[in-house]
Amino acid sequence: ETGVTQTPRHLVMGMTNKKSLKCEQHLGHNAMYWYKQSAKKPLELMFVYNFKEQTENNSVPSRFSPECPNSSHLFLHLHTLQPEDSALYLCASSHGQAQETQYFGPGTRLLVL
Amino acid sequence: GESVGLHLPTLSVQEGDNSIINCAYSNSASDYFIWYKQESGKGPQFIIDIRSNMDKRQGQRVTVLLNKTVKHLSLQIAATQPGDSAVYFCAENAGGTSYGKLTFGQGTILTVHP
Repeated sequence: ETGVTQTPRHLVMGMTNKKSLKCEQHLGHNAMYWYKQSAKKPLELMFVYNFKEQTENNSVPSRFSPECPNSSHLFLHLHTLQPEDSALYLCASSHGQAQETQYFGPGTRLLVL
Repeated sequence: GESVGLHLPTLSVQEGDNSIINCAYSNSASDYFIWYKQESGKGPQFIIDIRSNMDKRQGQRVTVLLNKTVKHLSLQIAATQPGDSAVYFCAENAGGTSYGKLTFGQGTILTVHP
């Protein structure tokens, strides 16, 4: 175990649903990240939070809304997603944004119908 | 632009052999590189890293080599075991304003046959 947990591990949702992904890190890190992993594509960085402040939004559509209430928790709120948003969503954390080693959670496998 | 790519998408080896996984990068400003291993149903797992002021770094059964002249990175796994079967990703960080932003390669599937 890496010390980064994600729930749920699997999620199926319709395009009109609203759901949230949760990430929690037990490593005392200050930076947290959301990545999208699609088949046959490299991991895509979505959002970066450093000390609860968003420092990076990699041109992510507004139907994805992140929330970071504290340095240990990160959420990704999902609303009116498209089938092409189906992917593995990975959360990661690091000591600080300048400390580049990132530790990943197991991911949430999302299927949008 | 920034990109990290892999020469070989798949690699099959026999148990006990040494494995070499290659990675090319295009951003000459990259100063930090990481190798991750991802097993089925799991997130990427950190293996080893190297900074641009080094050309070689060794871990337990793994060695990373960095050739900045040709912008090439490799991961060597000694005495490969079936448990090493996974997808291996290289990632780079360019530092500066890109601090914390890792750019990942496509990945190489390593299959180890008993």
